[in-house]
Formats: sequence, structure tokens, C-alpha cells
Amino acid sequence: EDQVTQSPEALRLQEGESSSLNCSYTVSGLRGLFWYRQDPGKGPEFLFTLYSAGEEKEKERLKATLTKKESFLHITAPKPEDSATYLCAVQEYGNKLVFGAGTILRVKS
Amino acid sequence: NAGVTQTPKFQVLKTGQSMTLQCAQDMNHEYMSWYRQDPGMGLRLIHYSVGAGITDQGEVPNGYNVSRSTTEDFPLRLLSAAPSQTSVYFCASRDRGQYEQYFGPGTRLTVT
Repeated sequence: EDQVTQSPEALRLQEGESSSLNCSYTVSGLRGLFWYRQDPGKGPEFLFTLYSAGEEKEKERLKATLTKKESFLHITAPKPEDSATYLCAVQEYGNKLVFGAGTILRVKS
Repeated sequence: NAGVTQTPKFQVLKTGQSMTLQCAQDMNHEYMSWYRQDPGMGLRLIHYSVGAGITDQGEVPNGYNVSRSTTEDFPLRLLSAAPSQTSVYFCASRDRGQYEQYFGPGTRLTVT
């Protein structure tokens, strides 16, 4: 069965304290891995797509990387406005998109 | 562009009532989907559509119906609401050949 597991479930950081979120997956044929940001009471907002092992994408303080079995979302020198739930999802062949449960990130000033 | 819009934002139903959650997109996307989000679980696919007149079931389709008469609209119907359908519902769309999905703001549904 296809699975996407995110860890940790919750993460509390001090402003400026860098860290990483993990997304491990088991799918039969990976078409793409996606990272989304979700603020409370809102829909997920697209951040990155990664297609193949070794690929990296960056946006401001966020950097996403991909291996054959997992992806990391690295957050460098986070600010309070980076607080959100970060969702990972994988697309296998066809239309099926499988989401992880998410990591709740809180950054305190 | 308004993107993906959903109405209503909040809804309370009694067990057995029916209702329709509305979803519209103005990006001319062919693919549209409905998800539900429950605490501690990932978003789960209910139904999806690859174009007007074409729909298919996702992971958790029971108790829900969809239709796609236009490219823009993709309503989700609850036939006879049950407490287990208490959830936050998201509609999403994407363009053909792109895998990034764009989500609406969600509808929070409570069934008592």
C-alpha cells in the first residue's frame, strides 16, 4: 500500500534555529513529490515539486531535497511567519495523490 | 483570477440531511478534485474529474456524489449526511500536464 509518513508531527523552533522536516514514502512509481504549506483555516499552498532523486529546489528560507525513499524540507534561519503546517504528497502514475499527515511548525521570536 | 473558490465556508447539518458543496475555478484547468481533511490524517481524495463529463472515485467516495457539466464547476453532493462526514473539505484543480494542484479555502462541515 502506498504510504507517505512525515516526521516529526510537530516542531518548535526559536527564530533563527535551522532544522529539517522529513517525508518518507513508499509508492510503486513516483511521478512527483510535492511540498505544500497550510496556514490555519486555509487551503494548502503549493511550494515545490521534485521529480527525481538528487533534485533540489529553493525558495527564500526553504530548501527541498529528494532521495529515492525520502524528501527533506530544510528551513534555514526561520522566522515566526514560517509557522504553518507543512504537507508532503506524492503522485504516482495516474491521478492518485497521496498526502502525509503533515508537520506543524511553530517558530518563536 | 480568483483561483479556486468554495462555498459555503461553514455548514452545520443534521444527520440525514443532504447538501451540495460548491467549487469553481477560473484557470481553465481540466483536472479537479475533492479532498477531505481530518485531524491527524492526510488529505484523502473523495472524487476527481479529468474533464467535463468525466468523473471517477478516489480513496473515500462512499456517501458522496459528483458531476462535472462544465470545466469551471465541480460540485460535491452529500446524499444523506452522517456524523462521520464531519470534516474540512477542499476542492483543488490542476492543468493537464502539470502536477501541482491549487486548492480552495475549504468548507468546514459539521454533522450533528
